[in-house]
Amino acid sequence: SQQGEEDPQALSIQEGENATMNCSYKTSINNLQWYRQNSGRGLVHLILIRSNEREKHSGRLRVTLDTSKKSSSLLITASRAADTASYFCATVSPYNQGGKLIFGQGTELSVKP
Amino acid sequence: DTGVSQNPRHKITKRGQNVTFRCDPISEHNRLYWYRQTLGQGPEFLTYFQNEAQLEKSRLLSDRFSAERPKGSFSTLEIQRTEQGDSAMYLCASSSAKRYKGRINEKLFFGSGTQLSVL
Repeated sequence: SQQGEEDPQALSIQEGENATMNCSYKTSINNLQWYRQNSGRGLVHLILIRSNEREKHSGRLRVTLDTSKKSSSLLITASRAADTASYFCATVSPYNQGGKLIFGQGTELSVKP
Repeated sequence: DTGVSQNPRHKITKRGQNVTFRCDPISEHNRLYWYRQTLGQGPEFLTYFQNEAQLEKSRLLSDRFSAERPKGSFSTLEIQRTEQGDSAMYLCASSSAKRYKGRINEKLFFGSGTQLSVL
């Protein structure tokens, strides 16, 4: 079962523009993570934000977390064609000892040169 | 560190046949996960191991599915009597759990997956 929903399902922008993807989830979390997946490949971890954090940066990535609204956003600034991929948020429950990730359905990002 | 390795990359089989996939995690990682992903969807959790112990199985994992991690290193996922609905990408991931203020926060390292097509 999927934990949450991502919005939009697909996003097409020009190189140099910013891309914002949103993720909503249903239950309490220990942490929330964002992953990228190029077509036909495995997922690559981008950033992890803990439940007691509100914002985190990593290079051109900025992630926010609002636990009161059960939502997160991923901002990619100054996008490049190489950023074209699917982006997934995933949550970890505080009640799960195994660190199991529950993924959303993803946002497909297309960055046109 | 060669990353998580999965074999084969692609598998085409006929309905009713058995298939087995292999996953070699990053060597020092004690946790290993199997996920299944269909086109346009996010990965769905199947099962995970801590060392050689299988600690959780999803209800998605029917009796036809079995996973092992015999020596706490590589893992195999077997599907018996395959059905067309089993067609999917099967992803393996590993992690090394680290505690932060009493809680485990870990990121997963994924393999490139095995794409299964059941005809």
